[in-house]
Amino acid sequence: KQEVTQIPAALSVPEGENLVLNCSFTDSAIYNLQWFRQDPGKGLTSLLLIQSSQREQTSGRLNASLDKSSGRSTLYIAASQPGDSATYLCAVENDKLIFGTGTRLQVFP
Amino acid sequence: EPEVTQTPSHQVTQMGQEVILRCVPISNHLYFYWYRQILGQKVEFLVSFYNNEISEKSEIFDDQFSVERPDGSNFTLKIRSTKLEDSAMYFCASIHRASSYEKLFFGSGTQLSVL
Repeated sequence: KQEVTQIPAALSVPEGENLVLNCSFTDSAIYNLQWFRQDPGKGLTSLLLIQSSQREQTSGRLNASLDKSSGRSTLYIAASQPGDSATYLCAVENDKLIFGTGTRLQVFP
Repeated sequence: EPEVTQTPSHQVTQMGQEVILRCVPISNHLYFYWYRQILGQKVEFLVSFYNNEISEKSEIFDDQFSVERPDGSNFTLKIRSTKLEDSAMYFCASIHRASSYEKLFFGSGTQLSVL
């Protein structure tokens, strides 16, 4: 059974710092891996999708990497801003998405 | 960008009552999903639906739950007799699956509160 774990569970940093959020999964038989952002009480916004054959994807200040063989992904956020404050969810897909527990990020001015 | 639409955004009901959560997936999508998130917990898979039938369901999706695509646009989740523990945010999602490069599109959710 696929298990997805994210560390740290929570992170509080000053504005401007570069951040790394970690995701690990137990079954490497995945189609893809997605990173989502969730604001309190809101829906899920897809940030990046990495195909199982890919190593990384970039969008603006966000960069996600995937090492399928070791069951790991990282989300790198460059030059963090207060507007980045949210919960970040990692999810792996094989017919359906299995979500991690999330990392709650707070960026303070 | 196209959107998955969910209604209502909030639903309050009494324990034992039936509720129907509604979703309008993106028009050319073929696969539909319901997920839920209990406050402070993970987003959990409930059910997937393709070609007018359930393709997979989780242990959570028991006989109290049902899904339906009554017409060409709507996709509904019905809970026959709600329990306190059904209180959660329910998300609908859809995807076309023409290629493996696609992402799942999520609606903004329905917050269900069972009193």
